[in-house]
Amino acid sequence: KQEVTQIPAALSVPEGENLVLNCSFTDSAIYNLQWFRQDPGKGLTSLLLIQSSQREQTSGRLNASLDKSSGRSTLYIAASQPGDSATYLCAVEPYNFNKFYFGSGTKLNVKP
Amino acid sequence: GAVVSQHPSWVICKSGTSVKIECRSLDFQATTMFWYRQFPKQSLMLMATSNEGSKATYEQGVEKDKFLINHASLTLSTLTVTSAHPEDSSFYICSARLAGGPEQYFGPGTRLTVT
Repeated sequence: KQEVTQIPAALSVPEGENLVLNCSFTDSAIYNLQWFRQDPGKGLTSLLLIQSSQREQTSGRLNASLDKSSGRSTLYIAASQPGDSATYLCAVEPYNFNKFYFGSGTKLNVKP
Repeated sequence: GAVVSQHPSWVICKSGTSVKIECRSLDFQATTMFWYRQFPKQSLMLMATSNEGSKATYEQGVEKDKFLINHASLTLSTLTVTSAHPEDSSFYICSARLAGGPEQYFGPGTRLTVT
């Protein structure tokens, strides 16, 4: 069974800092990996999806990378803003499973 | 595009009653929908995978007779919590997948409180 781990569990940074969130998974045979943002009491907003053949994806200040061989993905947030404060979740879909395994999330607080 | 809605957004019910939650893909056809539950400060736990026109596939430990899932059309899946108990109180979230697409799109969630 795929295990997904996210480190750190919580992170507090001053506004303007660049930061990295980590996601690791135990089985490298994945179909895709997706990063989400969740605000308190809300559903999930998709940020970036990286398919197995890709190494990274970028959207605005966000960049996600994928290294299947080492079972790792990172989400880089440039020039953080208070509005980035949320919980960030990564989800992995193994090949031929049609299901997703979620990490426990990183709760980010960006201080003004 | 790719919007998923859930109804209701929150519901309070008495112990022993049943509650139905709807998940709709508003602007696309979803061959697969997923149902998750999330306890406070915890991550999402997949309950079941629902494919249009077929029986749902439940995850280990999820009671299929308690959590009834119906995926009657390409835009609608429902989750019915039968004979609800206080321990069923949780945040239930659905997601939908475009036919042939890799990405899943999430609904806003339904907060269920059983008194």
